[in-house]
Amino acid sequence: AQKVTQAQTEISVVEKEDVTLDCVYETRDTTYYLFWYKQPPSGELVFLIRRNSFDEQNEISGRYSWNFQKSTSSFNFTITASQVVDSAVYFCALSEARGAQKLVFGQGTRLTINP
Amino acid sequence: DAGVIQSPRHEVTEMGQEVTLRCKPISGHNSLFWYRQTMMRGLELLIYFNNNVPIDDSGMPEDRFSAKMPNASFSTLKIQPSEPRDSAVYFCASSLLWTGPQETQYFGPGTRLLVL
Repeated sequence: AQKVTQAQTEISVVEKEDVTLDCVYETRDTTYYLFWYKQPPSGELVFLIRRNSFDEQNEISGRYSWNFQKSTSSFNFTITASQVVDSAVYFCALSEARGAQKLVFGQGTRLTINP
Repeated sequence: DAGVIQSPRHEVTEMGQEVTLRCKPISGHNSLFWYRQTMMRGLELLIYFNNNVPIDDSGMPEDRFSAKMPNASFSTLKIQPSEPRDSAVYFCASSLLWTGPQETQYFGPGTRLLVL
């Protein structure tokens, strides 16, 4: 069965620090897809990134970067030079090719950026 | 472009009352998902539709919950009768069906339900 673990329940850093959010997943499928979503204090879920299991290239988008490593079943998310607006709960999620569109979420990491 | 629209945004009701949550997916999307978010259980998929047809409702907690999608632009999630343990944030999401699981699901703002 598919599972996503975000071991860090809460992280608190000072503005401008770099911070990495961990995500470890379990799946028996060889083809799967990984996602990160952001849930700011306003409550909506905002899509950040999607990664396919056959594409291990890391991705960078501005201050955000993602490190996908199949060998360790991890899909970690790093924010460089964090800002107060980055404060949110971040969710990692997984869907399997055989899972018929079911998206399984981790428990989320609450990130607080202090000024 | 309009995103996923949900109404109401907040709902407070008394135990035993019927609650209806509404969702309008992104125009052109043909998959629609209902999720529930609670502190204890996190984000859970309740049910999803492809081309207005329910595909998997295994996440629906019990018979008090029902969902319909009468057309491509509208879906409802109904709870009857409601109970305090149904208090949660209910999200609707939509995606394109073309290739299945890799299609990104885009979420609405959620409906915060409180059952007293």
